[in-house]
Amino acid sequence: NAGVTQTPKFQVLKTGQSMTLQCAQDMNHEYMSWYRQDPGMGLRLIHYSVGAGITDQGEVPNGYNVSRSTTEDFPLRLLSAAPSQTSVYFCASATWGGHEAFFGQGTRLTVV
Amino acid sequence: GENVEQHPSTLSVQEGDSAVIKCTYSDSASNYFPWYKQELGKGPQLIIDIRSNVGEKKDQRIAVTLNKTAKHFSLHITETQPEDSAVYFCAASLNTGNQFYFGTGTSLTVIP
Repeated sequence: NAGVTQTPKFQVLKTGQSMTLQCAQDMNHEYMSWYRQDPGMGLRLIHYSVGAGITDQGEVPNGYNVSRSTTEDFPLRLLSAAPSQTSVYFCASATWGGHEAFFGQGTRLTVV
Repeated sequence: GENVEQHPSTLSVQEGDSAVIKCTYSDSASNYFPWYKQELGKGPQLIIDIRSNVGEKKDQRIAVTLNKTAKHFSLHITETQPEDSAVYFCAASLNTGNQFYFGTGTSLTVIP
């Protein structure tokens, strides 16, 4: 049972480039979400989804897009990367009616 | 929106001593309060949680207390061990596993 899998683990982008952070879960969880983790600021919610075809914004959504075409996958897109998006990104999933969120191992993104 | 504050930001204890981490939250509607442990290079992992209809919960050496009136909750680790060294995050949620508001984290070091 793989749980929540994020790819890539590390990425360096140039300002203005685009990329997609991948997140997949094999637990058939309805809920999926993306957080960014910055020093001294904890984890902040970027976008979340309560099921396939449904997404919504979190605390810090600007500069990021998401889609949820399947239950398993929840990719995070950066359309035009900026240095302020340098961070560690975590994907999480949870089951409807439950509370525990399961986190992936994270993607460390550097924008230069 | 919800605002979660966490103290202290760093904590060093001798092996065998107790450690206490405190959090406050602002939204009285929050009713689920998990604690996550994050080891270096890994994603956060749930260690204990508490719901608003419970005042205290214990799991072996770990306990969490909740005071809804004062809007604060605390993590207590007794008989600390070197493997307890990690960053601990508190969080608050509105009865969902999908949208967490995290504290800024506490880096706990247990000195052998």
